[in-house]
This record gives sequence, C-alpha cells and structure tokens, in this order.
Amino acid sequence: QKEVEQDPGPLSVPEGAIVSLNCTYSNSAFQYFMWYRQYSRKGPELLMYTYSSGNKEDGRFTAQVDKSSKYISLFIRDSQPSDSATYLCAMSSLSGGSYIPTFGRGTSLIVHP
Amino acid sequence: DAGITQSPRHKVTETGTPVTLRCHQTENHRYMYWYRQDPGHGLRLIHYSYGVKDTDKGEVSDGYSVSRSKTEDFLLTLESATSSQTSVYFCATSTGVDQPQHFGDGTRLSIL
Repeated sequence: QKEVEQDPGPLSVPEGAIVSLNCTYSNSAFQYFMWYRQYSRKGPELLMYTYSSGNKEDGRFTAQVDKSSKYISLFIRDSQPSDSATYLCAMSSLSGGSYIPTFGRGTSLIVHP
Repeated sequence: DAGITQSPRHKVTETGTPVTLRCHQTENHRYMYWYRQDPGHGLRLIHYSYGVKDTDKGEVSDGYSVSRSKTEDFLLTLESATSSQTSVYFCATSTGVDQPQHFGDGTRLSIL
C-alpha cells in the first residue's frame, strides 16, 4: 500500500460544477498538506498549503484536512475549462530533520464547456 | 514560478553517455530538490540540497549524482545514462525545511 493514495481519474465535469478531489494516506505523522495543479508539459504549481485539520479557503478553492480519517480534499467551486489539469496532493512530516513531501500520483480533471 | 529555470528543456541521448541537467533559481532559496516524474509513479525525489555543498539522497538516487557550488545552481548528473532513466525531471526550491516547494517546468529526457 502506498503512503498516499489518489484516484488517477480522469474526472470529467461540466463547467460550473463543484469538483471534489481526494487523497487518503496511511502515515499518521503527516503534518503538512499541499495541493498542486499541473498543466500538461508544465511543472506543478502550488495551490494550497495547510498545517492543521479543518478547512482553508482561497478564492474558488477550499482545502479540507481530516486527520482522524487520514483524508484530505480539494474543492473547486464554479469550475472552469481552465481548471482542466492534473491535481497532485502532497503531505509531509519531520523525518531525519527534513519535511520531504510524499506526493500522490495525481488526479486528471477535465472541465468541459 | 519562484524564478526557476531548467536547462535543457528537452534532450535525447544514447545509453552510456553522461548527461547533466541544470537548475537555476533567482529567489535565493536555501533548499533545492531534483525529482523525476513517471506515469504510475508520480513525483519521486532523487536528491536534495540544504545549502551550498550540502546534499542528501532521496528515494531513487541510484545512478544519479548532484552538485551545488552556488546557492542559485543545482546540477543533476547521470554518469552513464540508461533507458530506465528516461523521464521528466523537475527541479524545486523552498525557503525552509518546512515550507512548500515551488517547481520549474521540467526537462524531458529520452535515452535511446
């Protein structure tokens, strides 16, 4: 079992839909949680960075962390075709003096007009 | 993002040849990282640096070496490239050990 599990999709939704992207993890020591967006042939771009359980909102994006269930989510409201990309979750804990993150394999999102 | 430039952006080479990839950053970030991204595996850490001349191995370091002689440059070398090292390589930087990483746009490396 991988430390971080993420459904690869693709997830196809109509424009304007609310999108829910999820990751589960097995390492209860994870403290920091991140979401990245990656367009084709580009590098991952940081969207959200959270430390604690609960919700964090930034514009149309909301990150949710449930440490008790070892489950994190990214919600996208009013999705747009420009949101079509691969979304990577990542999480880290202090190991050997460093918070090297463990990445999920990414979920491909397609928002069609 | 974060002023990270990777070069070359694309490279095709033959098995057994040495290859060096360069990562240059303009943000003065202390930490720098090299990842490879392959279908079905996601991002895997190769090596990272926590300061000039200070480096450490990651999850998939075999066959790779790194050097960092200046804050702004982090080099990844494949001493004798193999077909299994065909991949997309990403450089990342961060300001601190507990801060999120910012990525360059990658180098597509094909080894024939």
